[in-house]
Amino acid sequence: GENVEQHPSTLSVQEGDSAVIKCTYSDSASNYFPWYKQELGKGPQLIIDIRSNVGEKKDQRIAVTLNKTAKHFSLHITETQPEDSAVYFCAASIDNNDMRFGAGTRLTVKP
Amino acid sequence: GAGVSQSPSNKVTEKGKDVELRCDPISGHTALYWYRQRLGQGLEFLIYFQGNSAPDKSGLPSDRFSAERTGESVSTLTIQRTQQEDSAVYLCASTTSGGVGEQFFGPGTRLTVL
Repeated sequence: GENVEQHPSTLSVQEGDSAVIKCTYSDSASNYFPWYKQELGKGPQLIIDIRSNVGEKKDQRIAVTLNKTAKHFSLHITETQPEDSAVYFCAASIDNNDMRFGAGTRLTVKP
Repeated sequence: GAGVSQSPSNKVTEKGKDVELRCDPISGHTALYWYRQRLGQGLEFLIYFQGNSAPDKSGLPSDRFSAERTGESVSTLTIQRTQQEDSAVYLCASTTSGGVGEQFFGPGTRLTVL
């Protein structure tokens, strides 16, 4: 089955700096890669996703890149703000079936 | 509301007791997942239901854990003879199938085993 690894487990940045979270996956058949943000006491919520037919996707301050050959994908947050502080999870699946998540990255943005 | 709901929100039980956790998915969502999240840790896949297909139980940590779902409706996760290491937040998520899309998570059930 799919195995997703995520790094780093914790990340602390200064407000305004960029944050990058990286994930690798094992199953070359995986074609859907979402990123979820989990705030304290809440369930995870989708923030951005990418399909395997594109290499990059951007939504305002958030971007995701995908390297299918290397089987890794990354989340980039620019101009970080304190409200970006949360736990971020990457995931991989085949057509949104049997999705597997990374272990999460706790991002802290210091004002 | 039209979101995923879970009950109870909090459950405190004594070691050795059985507990049952409930998930009401979004209407029309054919796929349903259960995850376990220990304090400060990531999402641990437990079980996945897809329509009327046989569920993927590969994430269940022991035979004390079981889950049921009738059709595309409510699912229950049962933990028998609870142990202290079962203490965690149990999250349920539902999604449509047949393509890519967002998993919608419920608020979770916080289980504490004393």
